Amino acid sequence: GENVEQHPSTLSVQEGDSAVIKCTYSDSASNYFPWYKQELGKRPQLIIDIRSNVGEKKDQRIAVTLNKTAKHFSLHITETQPEDSAVYFCAARSQGGSEKLVFGKGTKLTVNP
Amino acid sequence: KAGVTQTPRYLIKTRGQQVTLSCSPISGHRSVSWYQQTPGQGLQFLFEYFSETQRNKGNFPGRFSGRQFSNSRSEMNVSTLELGDSALYLCASSFRTWNYEQYFGPGTRLTVT
Repeated sequence: GENVEQHPSTLSVQEGDSAVIKCTYSDSASNYFPWYKQELGKRPQLIIDIRSNVGEKKDQRIAVTLNKTAKHFSLHITETQPEDSAVYFCAARSQGGSEKLVFGKGTKLTVNP
Repeated sequence: KAGVTQTPRYLIKTRGQQVTLSCSPISGHRSVSWYQQTPGQGLQFLFEYFSETQRNKGNFPGRFSGRQFSNSRSEMNVSTLELGDSALYLCASSFRTWNYEQYFGPGTRLTVT
């Protein structure tokens, strides 16, 4: 089955710097890759996603890139702010009519003022 | 539009008991997926329901079961609770047929003593 590896597990940056989180997946049939942000004690929130027919997607300070050949995708946050501090999860969805998402283990991002 | 809701938000049970958790999806969403979140294992897929039918199941023992009603509301049941079942149980809803985006509820925090 699908396996998703996420790195790093923790990331600390200074306010204003960029942050990059990387994920690799094992199932070449996976076609949908969302990113979720989870603040302490709250639900995971979908912040951006990308489908397999697109190489890059951007939404303000957040961007995601996908390399299907290498089977990896990355989250880029520019001009980080303290409110970006949270745990970020990547996930992959395989084809086959299932809504099952396989998640990475998460990256705890800390943005220091 | 109201988001995904889950009840109860917190539960304390003793080993051997059973528990039922409820999830109401976003209006119009017909797919409900359940996930277990623990510090050690992260987010793990339990099962998915669509049109009252289980479409996919994760690698959990048969003590974990669920169902979906005609109004798309879903319940999951855990019988013969074990200490290791202590976790945050999250449900997520989506349209499924054309839009992959899954939106999470606030979760039910289950503690087994």
